[in-house]
Amino acid sequence: DAKTTQPPSMDCAEGRAANLPCNHSTISGNEYVYWYRQIHSQGPQYIIHGLKNNETNEMASLIITEDRKSSTLILPHATLRDTAVYYCIAREGGADGLTFGKGTHLIIQP
Amino acid sequence: EPEVTQTPSHQVTQMGQEVILRCVPISNHLYFYWYRQILGQKVEFLVSFYNNEISEKSEIFDDQFSVERPDGSNFTLKIRSTKLEDSAMYFCASSRTGYMNTEAFFGQGTRLTVV
Repeated sequence: DAKTTQPPSMDCAEGRAANLPCNHSTISGNEYVYWYRQIHSQGPQYIIHGLKNNETNEMASLIITEDRKSSTLILPHATLRDTAVYYCIAREGGADGLTFGKGTHLIIQP
Repeated sequence: EPEVTQTPSHQVTQMGQEVILRCVPISNHLYFYWYRQILGQKVEFLVSFYNNEISEKSEIFDDQFSVERPDGSNFTLKIRSTKLEDSAMYFCASSRTGYMNTEAFFGQGTRLTVV
């Protein structure tokens, strides 16, 4: 899996959009970009994934640049419960395990 | 909503003892995984399992670890002779397929404490 780079921490005001960046400049053509989050010590929670098109679901939107070297996860209206560590993962093999980095610790401020 | 369930939520065991961690994956999922997270560290992949055999394993998954799907619903991780450094959260995950565009869903974990 390609290496990803994320800022170690970010703050966002409650009710505002949280935009979490991720760099994956060495991503290969068949690697998907996955986002998970981990609230405290709970199990990682799947958020969204994409290959090259932008994706949206009930939790978030994923914007992938045209060259696929970076992406942004958008939580449109952040709440206090969105405080978590967010992981951006470039995944090649489906049966292979996910390679988690240190992620971004997102803190939603009241 | 279907979910991956793990039992027990917390297990304390003495060094050298065998321990079995249990997981019930989501019912129509075919691929199963174990991960661990030592306190304050990253989530680390241990092993993936499909069609009753190991698909992939990491360097961490040495001879003291084994996995099994004993009865078609449970998926277990056995640690044969626990060491202090095995203390960690252990997460089970499952996915519908092994394709790279298929998301995996995680359980809430078992906290293993080796004393």
